Amino acid sequence: GNSVTQMEGPVTLSEEAFLTINCTYTATGYPSLFWYVQYPGEGLQLLLKATKADDKGSNKGFEATYRKETTSFHLEKGSVQVSDSAVYFCALSDQNTGGFKTIFGAGTRLFVKA
Amino acid sequence: EAGVAQSPRYKIIEKRQSVAFWCNPISGHATLYWYQQILGQGPKLLIQFQNNGVVDDSQLPKDRFSAERLKGVDSTLKIQPAKLEDSAVYLCASKLGQTYNEQFFGPGTRLTVL
Repeated sequence: GNSVTQMEGPVTLSEEAFLTINCTYTATGYPSLFWYVQYPGEGLQLLLKATKADDKGSNKGFEATYRKETTSFHLEKGSVQVSDSAVYFCALSDQNTGGFKTIFGAGTRLFVKA
Repeated sequence: EAGVAQSPRYKIIEKRQSVAFWCNPISGHATLYWYQQILGQGPKLLIQFQNNGVVDDSQLPKDRFSAERLKGVDSTLKIQPAKLEDSAVYLCASKLGQTYNEQFFGPGTRLTVL
C-alpha cells in the first residue's frame, strides 16, 4: 500500500542555518505530494504542494521538488528562523486510495535556536 | 472566512467513560475527515464523509467509535467506552470536494484517558 517515510527528529538548528527534511514515498499511482506544518497548540496547515513529477512547491521560503525517479519530496529552506520551530509532516494523496485519502508521515520536529 | 471549528479543545475522562467531539467544517466544504493523532505520530484517518455519506471508515474501531454527519454540515465523533490507548489529539479537517487537494484542519481536541 501507499506510505510516507520522513526523517526522524528532532532537528535542532541555529537561526539562519540551512534546513533539509527528507521525505520518501511509496505509491502505486501518481500521487500529489504535500508538506504540512503544525505549530504548537494548532492544527495542521498546508505549507506547500506539488501535483506532478518535477513540480516545485514553494511557500514562505520553503521549497520541495517532486522527484519521481527517487520517489522523494525533500523539504528545504535556505535560512531558518526561530518562528519556523514546528512539526513538519510530509503527505501524499492518491486517487487510487479511494476518495483521495491523504497518508501522512510521522512528522519531524524542528527546533530553531536564536 | 471562518476556519474549521472544533470543541472541546481539551477533555480528560476516566477509562470506560464516554466522550463526544464536535466539528463544524468550513462553509460549503462537502468532504469532512476525522483523524487520530497519537503523540509523536502523524494523523491517522478514522473516517471520511462526503456530504452526509461515509466514504471510508476502514480504520475506525467500530466497536467503540462512531461518527455521524446527519445534515452534511457539522459532525460528531463519539467514543464509548474509552480506553487508555485512545489518548490522542482528534483532528477534524474539511475540503471543498473529494478531488480537491487542500485539506483545512481544525485546532484539534486533546483527549486524555486516565
